[in-house]
Amino acid sequence: DVKVTQSSRYLVKRTGEKVFLECVQDMDHENMFWYRQDPGLGLRLIYFSYDVKMKEKGDIPEGYSVSREKKERFSLILESASTNQTSMYLCASSSGTSQTNEKLFFGSGTQLSVL
Amino acid sequence: AQSVSQHNHHVILSEAASLELGCNYSYGGTVNLFWYVQYPGQHLQLLLKYFSGDPLVKGIKGFEAEFIKSKFSFNLRKPSVQWSDTAEYFCAVDHSGGGADGLTFGKGTHLIIQP
Repeated sequence: DVKVTQSSRYLVKRTGEKVFLECVQDMDHENMFWYRQDPGLGLRLIYFSYDVKMKEKGDIPEGYSVSREKKERFSLILESASTNQTSMYLCASSSGTSQTNEKLFFGSGTQLSVL
Repeated sequence: AQSVSQHNHHVILSEAASLELGCNYSYGGTVNLFWYVQYPGQHLQLLLKYFSGDPLVKGIKGFEAEFIKSKFSFNLRKPSVQWSDTAEYFCAVDHSGGGADGLTFGKGTHLIIQP
């Protein structure tokens, strides 16, 4: 069964801390994405990557950065966490061979609370 | 900018009632359209998708959606809902036409089915 794995289900951090959210997929997908999900706002794209070492800003990249050193791993970094970054973070991946986002596979999410 | 509007944030229905969730998008070019579902405590899953061809698409669990290009709509329907359909439903649009830009999601509709 295909899988997108996010390293933590729940995370509590303090304001100003550096936070790493890890995501690994086992489907050899080219494309990987980080979304945040907030009640009443749906899913908003933070960053995405279509290849190793490549990254593109999504709709709300401010306060975040990403790293894609290996094809299967896509990390989201909060350089200095703030309370407004408390959210559910969702990682997703898709195949690049069909030239469309035919199907996004999502991880279970990481609920981050910044105190 | 591309946007997706879901008309209802909360919908409450009784079992066996018919369901229609509205979705409109703003992009005028070629689009691929999706409905995702998130059951309580679970990750997002693809319900159905439209790429081309027959504008009436059938998905899992008895759901269907109709693409009406002239109305920029992709409404989700089910003739008779079940208690297990309680979930959050997201409409999403891919207008990248072959790129890996990620999907634009609506804000979601929280559906509650009462026994």
